[in-house]
Amino acid sequence: GAVVSQHPSWVICKSGTSVKIECRSLDFQATTMFWYRQFPKQSLMLMATSNEGSKATYEQGVEKDKFLINHASLTLSTLTVTSAHPEDSSFYICSAESGTGFTDTQYFGPGTRLTVL
Amino acid sequence: TQLLEQSPQFLSIQEGENLTVYCNSSSVFSSLQWYRQEPGEGPVLLVTVVTGGEVKKLKRLTFQFGDARKDSSLHITAAQPGDTGLYLCAGAAGSARQLTFGSGTQLTVLP
Repeated sequence: GAVVSQHPSWVICKSGTSVKIECRSLDFQATTMFWYRQFPKQSLMLMATSNEGSKATYEQGVEKDKFLINHASLTLSTLTVTSAHPEDSSFYICSAESGTGFTDTQYFGPGTRLTVL
Repeated sequence: TQLLEQSPQFLSIQEGENLTVYCNSSSVFSSLQWYRQEPGEGPVLLVTVVTGGEVKKLKRLTFQFGDARKDSSLHITAAQPGDTGLYLCAGAAGSARQLTFGSGTQLTVLP
């Protein structure tokens, strides 16, 4: 159980275009989902916290107008990278939280590799 | 801002050797998790520790949470090539659900 999927697994786009990444919890409902980005050889950096039915909370330094997050249902959150540029190329990973207690577990998706040309 | 420092950053050892990875912070965490990540994939949860002084074992892996809940360690006994990967610690502070990830330890076990 507790499987999280992401789509697409990789995407290549031209500079200036927008890219949407989907994150789904397949066998549980996730009130809260998280979006991270990871550069090569580096750790995960939290970008934003996505709550179902409300606006996402962005970490300091993350442009909310550039990284649009929509958490429309308890099993789906989307991250749209608007007007993508080469510096946005990265590995984007989502996680979904199972449970409601403070020891909740975050289950991670397999990631989406974005390359902006 | 909570920071988690992991050491060593890189570790290359021979099959059969033992190793320890450390995760340290000046902040107190309500829980701490260890993950293993392979290239091109998301992190996979290995263990969650929540009680100061707690020790958990997972086959050849032993995890310890410091008494003050500011640090943790991961010890691998008789490492195998299949243990190769990026090991990440991540902590949650107070009632916050956001995880702060450590800087990561890239482990390579040579056959």
